[in-house]
Amino acid sequence: GAVVSQHPSWVICKSGTSVKIECRSLDFQATTMFWYRQFPKQSLMLMATSNEGSKATYEQGVEKDKFLINHASLTLSTLTVTSAHPEDSSFYICSALGAAMNEQFFGPGTRLTVL
Amino acid sequence: AQRVTQPEKLLSVFKGAPVELKCNYSYSGSPELFWYVQYSRQRLQLLLRHISRESIKGFTADLNKGETSFHLKKPFAQEEDSAMYYCALSGGYQKVTFGTGTKLQVIP
Repeated sequence: GAVVSQHPSWVICKSGTSVKIECRSLDFQATTMFWYRQFPKQSLMLMATSNEGSKATYEQGVEKDKFLINHASLTLSTLTVTSAHPEDSSFYICSALGAAMNEQFFGPGTRLTVL
Repeated sequence: AQRVTQPEKLLSVFKGAPVELKCNYSYSGSPELFWYVQYSRQRLQLLLRHISRESIKGFTADLNKGETSFHLKKPFAQEEDSAMYYCALSGGYQKVTFGTGTKLQVIP
């Protein structure tokens, strides 16, 4: 199956700093990438959908200025958590969908801890 | 609005016993339903989708539009089935809504 990677797998940062998380499709071109957030023992919540070359579509309640998403190429999307606070600590998961695919493929996730 | 409900957070069964993971959904149109599985320390992966009407690893799920349910079943649980299972719904535009998940624990 198709492979999606995320980097870093975990990150610890100080409150007020910005953190960038990368999502890459390794063996296919991802026309669409999705970013999810998962709190402990809770479900995945879709944060935003990004199509290559266009602005991301954010879900209701997700601050677009807080969570900057860039999908500049068909194999890379980045999520930047700006001015991170402890409440942003969570597990962030991306998924990718290719043009001819009918299934999203998930990355392994990134654990963000904001001190 | 689309919503997926998985009423059980944890389901424990003995090896060889039947398994049924419940899932109910709310959607005004014709949804596409999925079951995803996440084994320990592994990423989320698609288990099956209702339009395929297939059996994967012995699991099946039938979409019941009257009851708005998509329960996941397996006649004989195996230890390797222990994992988190998420029911999910797609109403179009590729957007997928996940349920809260059920942890299946198969007791040897």
